[in-house]
Amino acid sequence: EPEVTQTPSHQVTQMGQEVILRCVPISNHLYFYWYRQILGQKVEFLVSFYNNEISEKSEIFDDQFSVERPDGSNFTLKIRSTKLEDSAMYFCASSPASGTGKFHEQYFGPGTRLTVT
Amino acid sequence: LAKTTQPISMDSYEGQEVNITCSHNNIATNDYITWYQQFPSQGPRFIIQGYKTKVTNEVASLFIPADRKSSTLSLPRVSLSDTAVYYCLVGDILGGSTLGRLYFGRGTQLTVWP
Repeated sequence: EPEVTQTPSHQVTQMGQEVILRCVPISNHLYFYWYRQILGQKVEFLVSFYNNEISEKSEIFDDQFSVERPDGSNFTLKIRSTKLEDSAMYFCASSPASGTGKFHEQYFGPGTRLTVT
Repeated sequence: LAKTTQPISMDSYEGQEVNITCSHNNIATNDYITWYQQFPSQGPRFIIQGYKTKVTNEVASLFIPADRKSSTLSLPRVSLSDTAVYYCLVGDILGGSTLGRLYFGRGTQLTVWP
């Protein structure tokens, strides 16, 4: 069964450093998402991405964040200058084409635990 | 966006059927109901989705009454491995204004005991 994969599984970085979190969505999916979950809190939407551009972003997704699909398989989230409050689990998700009305059927990766010290 | 209300926690024993009900009084005509499951330190996992009446798959059943103001996720014969948080989400799956943005609440923590 196809899966969303994410690397690394755990990233430790110092405040102010840049990090890049990587995801490989399911191959025939066209919509990609990043969410985060701070320990003990809700899963929060960050950004959605379609056709090589951002479709929607939340208020969390400020200028420090960016996303990219550098090739046909990878989808990355970059945090330019990390803060302590960026420590969280970051989940990538993908969903099938919109023609089937499956926006809410999203497949999540295992997550990257980001620890900012 | 329709607000959802579900119990904070539920307990069950292995082998029992578990029903988790979600209220969504302000559900809109284009809204579908979707349920996700999340184990600790893992990403949410899509379980089931429906619009009205009953939907069943290999994992669960979803019951939606005619007025669609609530829905019930039914897990048959739960096992210890079904211990997880279950989220009810309501939204326009055809895109609407949110184009797939999922809003997760606190969910229901289901604990299955031996």
